[in-house]
Amino acid sequence: GAGVSQSPSNKVTEKGKDVELRCDPISGHTALYWYRQSLGQGLEFLIYFQGNSAPDKSGLPSDRFSAERTGGSVSTLTIQRTQQEDSAVYLCASSSGLSPLHFGNGTRLTVT
Amino acid sequence: DQQVKQNSPSLSVQEGRISILNCDYTNSMFDYFLWYKKYPAEGPTFLISISSIKDKNEDGRFTVFLNKSAKHLSLHIVPSQPGDSAVYFCAASARSPGTGGGADGLTFGKGTHLIIQP
Repeated sequence: GAGVSQSPSNKVTEKGKDVELRCDPISGHTALYWYRQSLGQGLEFLIYFQGNSAPDKSGLPSDRFSAERTGGSVSTLTIQRTQQEDSAVYLCASSSGLSPLHFGNGTRLTVT
Repeated sequence: DQQVKQNSPSLSVQEGRISILNCDYTNSMFDYFLWYKKYPAEGPTFLISISSIKDKNEDGRFTVFLNKSAKHLSLHIVPSQPGDSAVYFCAASARSPGTGGGADGLTFGKGTHLIIQP
């Protein structure tokens, strides 16, 4: 497809389990961003990848969160030992640098 | 500490009239501002942006005004149409590239739900 693709679209998990969220950016887009949106809140920036460069992880909420981007394309966001406060919509966006961000439809994560 | 504030959670406007959405910011380092529109179950889509060297940017029915001294920006939609009903997010960047915010990302407000009434 032509847009940013995220999977799964919905994920329900039990507290304490690990989850992996996937983002497939628009082909050729070198910049990739992860955000999350908790209920009633704005989008919270998590992490940024530029090409194959190592990201600055300081925006991640805790050390249970990690992200990687393989071959400068697909990215995965992993949350270990999920907590109820991790419940949110996780959004991925990509851009070619100077273009505006193109967002995927997000993954709705529910931790029970 | 919210650096980008949208103080109206919702706004109702009659079709054909002007919609004005407001946004205030506190960080004087912000130099690029964007508006995104979001429909339910979809990701935000880019609407319009403005650099701090300008005070107005227009694109069709959408105009963004920036008042740097007041740290305030507004989005005007005229005339408002039913398809404009959505949540509108104001966002700001202090880093290049302004369109994405680079390593700091964009700082978003909580959004305003615009409802266009027939």
